[in-house]
Amino acid sequence: RKEVEQDPGPFNVPEGATVAFNCTYSNSASQSFFWYRQDCRKEPKLLMSVYSSGNEDGRFTAQLNRASQYISLLIRDSKLSDSATYLCVVILNNAGNMLTFGGGTRLMVKP
Amino acid sequence: SQTIHQWPATLVQPVGSPLSLECTVEGTSNPNLYWYRQAAGRGLQLLFYSVGIGQISSEVPQNLSASRPQDRQFILSSKKLLLSDSGFYLCAWTKSRGMGYTFGSGTRLTVV
Repeated sequence: RKEVEQDPGPFNVPEGATVAFNCTYSNSASQSFFWYRQDCRKEPKLLMSVYSSGNEDGRFTAQLNRASQYISLLIRDSKLSDSATYLCVVILNNAGNMLTFGGGTRLMVKP
Repeated sequence: SQTIHQWPATLVQPVGSPLSLECTVEGTSNPNLYWYRQAAGRGLQLLFYSVGIGQISSEVPQNLSASRPQDRQFILSSKKLLLSDSGFYLCAWTKSRGMGYTFGSGTRLTVV
């Protein structure tokens, strides 16, 4: 079983739609959680951290469910510019502070 | 502010040739540094990480090596490239536990 699993998609949605991605992680000792966005042939960029109480940043909402070991990302009112691959990332509380990446979920927003 | 520089942006190298990719971080001290590789259409694979000068941990045994000769410099090397070394190489840094990474802009390596 992979440490961090995501549905690779692609998710094809029309502009203005609401779309949600889930991500599951296998290690219950995981301490920190993030969503990254990666555009085609570019480096990943931090989209948002995921806090236990859930957090929102504009059209983006992230939630964490420790009991079920998954995190989610909700995008409301999708824009064409939201088209990208969204990477789920977790950190074990280890000395190297290493991030473990999911394989990513590809989102394509269409006019 | 902190910045991370990675070069070159693209590289085409013949099989069996050496490799040296460099990454530097500015505006911080004693960062944790990482090298990742992303094969075409695949996820990110951690290759090496370093928590200090001269301290290198390898995650995947292969014909690549890494060095950290200075606090904010991280180098990825190979003596002889293989076709399977082709990919998108990303350097990243972080300062504190629990913090996300900042990635460099990456080097797209094609071994021919």
